[in-house]
Amino acid sequence: EDKVVQSPLSLVVHEGDTVTLNCSYEVTNFRSLLWYKQEKKAPTFLFMLTSSGIKKKSGRLSSILDKKELFSILNITATQTGDSAIYLCVRGGGFKTIFGAGTRLFVKA
Amino acid sequence: NAGVTQTPKFQVLKTGQSMTLQCAQDMNHNSMYWYRQDPGMGLRLIYYSASEGTTDKGEVPNGYNVSRLNKREFSLRLESAAPSQTSVYFCASSEVEGSQPQHFGDGTRLSIL
Repeated sequence: EDKVVQSPLSLVVHEGDTVTLNCSYEVTNFRSLLWYKQEKKAPTFLFMLTSSGIKKKSGRLSSILDKKELFSILNITATQTGDSAIYLCVRGGGFKTIFGAGTRLFVKA
Repeated sequence: NAGVTQTPKFQVLKTGQSMTLQCAQDMNHNSMYWYRQDPGMGLRLIYYSASEGTTDKGEVPNGYNVSRLNKREFSLRLESAAPSQTSVYFCASSEVEGSQPQHFGDGTRLSIL
């Protein structure tokens, strides 16, 4: 079945904590795995991963893809209240792009 | 720098009413998409338009129609609204034809009573 599963579904942490969000998928033939952040409105693009083992990094956020084990993780270090959002994992594939249900992260001050 | 603009932001309809959701992008992108987002589920593709003049069904097209009016505009129409269509609707665009969506609008929250 062609689906994307994210875990945990929700997470509450304190400022300064490090979090790891998980994403697994079930189709091997795809071009890219993407991560988006969705606050109150539109999802905004974070990362696109196309190759296994190469870590993408942007500030306190980083992500890596394992095409052999069919998963990706998104790490956020030194979390801030502004990191509170839904994080969407997306299996890219043009018009066959599949979105995960998201992980809702809440960072307490 | 408007990006992708959706109107309206909120709407309440009665069952059986019709309405059109508007979407426009100012980035000269080729492909445009309509998604719906429901609690506990990922965004699901309703319809897409690979390029001006073409439209195709996505994962959940039943009960909807679309029009790619020109390169900028892609509208979504509900002919006879049903409570199951209560959702948040997102329009998106991508520069490269057939690639995954890059930019999203802020969404239209639609409630059908």
